[in-house]
Amino acid sequence: SYDLTQPPSVSVSPGQTASITCSGDKLGEKYVCWYQQKPGQSPVVVIYQDLKRPSGIPERFSGSNSGNTATLTISETQAMDEADYYCQVWDSITAVFGTGTKVTVL
Amino acid sequence: QVQLQESGPGLVKPSETLSLTCAVSGGSISSRSYYWSWIRQSAGKGLEYIGRIYISGSTDCNPSLRSRVTISLDTSKNQLSLKLSSVTAADTAIYYCARLDSGSYHATFDHWGQGTLVTVSS
Repeated sequence: SYDLTQPPSVSVSPGQTASITCSGDKLGEKYVCWYQQKPGQSPVVVIYQDLKRPSGIPERFSGSNSGNTATLTISETQAMDEADYYCQVWDSITAVFGTGTKVTVL
Repeated sequence: QVQLQESGPGLVKPSETLSLTCAVSGGSISSRSYYWSWIRQSAGKGLEYIGRIYISGSTDCNPSLRSRVTISLDTSKNQLSLKLSSVTAADTAIYYCARLDSGSYHATFDHWGQGTLVTVSS
């Protein structure tokens, strides 16, 4: 099976940049989505196909993917960005989610 | 705007079958543009993909659950269903239904239900 590894937690000060990594074998050869999940809520896609933002997602969310690592970057982080973030890819016909990263805005 | 709403028993006994439905509004599950899926999340843990279905009736499931999972569509009610047999405490989780924007290798879960908690306990 295919595994995606994320750091358990990332802390960031308001207005600073948060970077969340997602690691997997030859990850750059796959398309990565990123989902934001706030406490008690369902996940919401913030990045799809590595770097595309759905309508309604702020421009401060951006994504990249190369080699074995994909990165979700949150610029000018706001308190409302505090949440769990999951990367996701397709391994053949099975969706695989990353281990998740809790972003804390201090 | 498409909306999804899961429903079903919140408590299931061990060894029995978990049955959930997901009502879709604001869009048709008969659309050939989308797939429909189930995902679960155990308490304090990450997301686990269960499987997906297309209007043709074609299904794909997570190999780890395949032998116990049945996913189906009811076009008359515009809903999808999940059955998970021989449940154990390890199947206790929040179960989500979600729409996939395609069946390709870059498909995105673009709309999610609010989720429903299922507890497996005697």
